Amino acid sequence: AQTVTQSQPEMSVQEAETVTLSCTYDTSESDYYLFWYKQPPSRQMILVIRQEAYKQQNATENRFSVNFQKAAKSFSLKISDSQLGDAAMYFCAYRSAWGAQKLVFGQGTRLTINP
Amino acid sequence: AAGVIQSPRHLIKEKRETATLKCYPIPRHDTVYWYQQGPGQDPQFLISFYEKMQSDKGSIPDRFSAQQFSDYHSELNMSSLELGDSALYFCASSPRTRTSGSPASYEQYFGPGTRLTVT
Repeated sequence: AQTVTQSQPEMSVQEAETVTLSCTYDTSESDYYLFWYKQPPSRQMILVIRQEAYKQQNATENRFSVNFQKAAKSFSLKISDSQLGDAAMYFCAYRSAWGAQKLVFGQGTRLTINP
Repeated sequence: AAGVIQSPRHLIKEKRETATLKCYPIPRHDTVYWYQQGPGQDPQFLISFYEKMQSDKGSIPDRFSAQQFSDYHSELNMSSLELGDSALYFCASSPRTRTSGSPASYEQYFGPGTRLTVT
C-alpha cells in the first residue's frame, strides 16, 4: 500500500518570503500522480498543483512550484512571495495512475503567514 | 463553472440514529469518491463509484453503505451513528477516461463537505 508522509506539522513564514513544505511517499508503482491540496479555514479542499510521475519537469503554477525527486520519492512544495491568503493546511496526496484511483493523503502541514 | 454539490452542509444527529449524505457530481463526471476527515486529521478514503458500480472500497464501516444512481449522484447512508462518526465528509468527482497505454490524469474535484456532528 502507498503511504505519504509530511514531517512538518507546522510551518511559518514572513509575508513576501519563500517557504518549502516537504513530502515523501512510498510506492512500488512507476506510474502515479502527486498533488498538493490547500485547505483554508473554510475546510474546502483546493487543488494547488499536480505532478505526473512520468514527467521529469517540475510543475509550476504561478507562485507555487514543486521539486519532484522520483528516485528519492520526494515531492516538496515551494511557495514564493507568500501572501496572507496562503495561510492554510496543506496536504500532499498520491494517486495511482491505474486501478484504484483514490487519493492517499499525508498528515498535513499547517502554514502560518506572519505579516 | 459548475462544482460538486453536497447536501446537507451541516447535520446534527444523535447516537444510534441514521444519516444520509448526498453528492451531486460535476456534469459529465461519472466517478464519485467519498472521504471522511476527522478533527485534526487528513481525509481518509471511504468508497468510490464508477458508472454506478462500486469501484474501490477503503476503511468504510459496515454500518455505512453507499450507492451511485442513474443520474450519477451518490448517497452515503450511515446507520447506528457513533460519536466517532463526527467528521467532515467530502465527496469528490472526476471524469474517468482511460485508453490503453494512456494513464488517466484527471484531478478529483472536491465538494464543500458535509459536517456531521453526532451527539
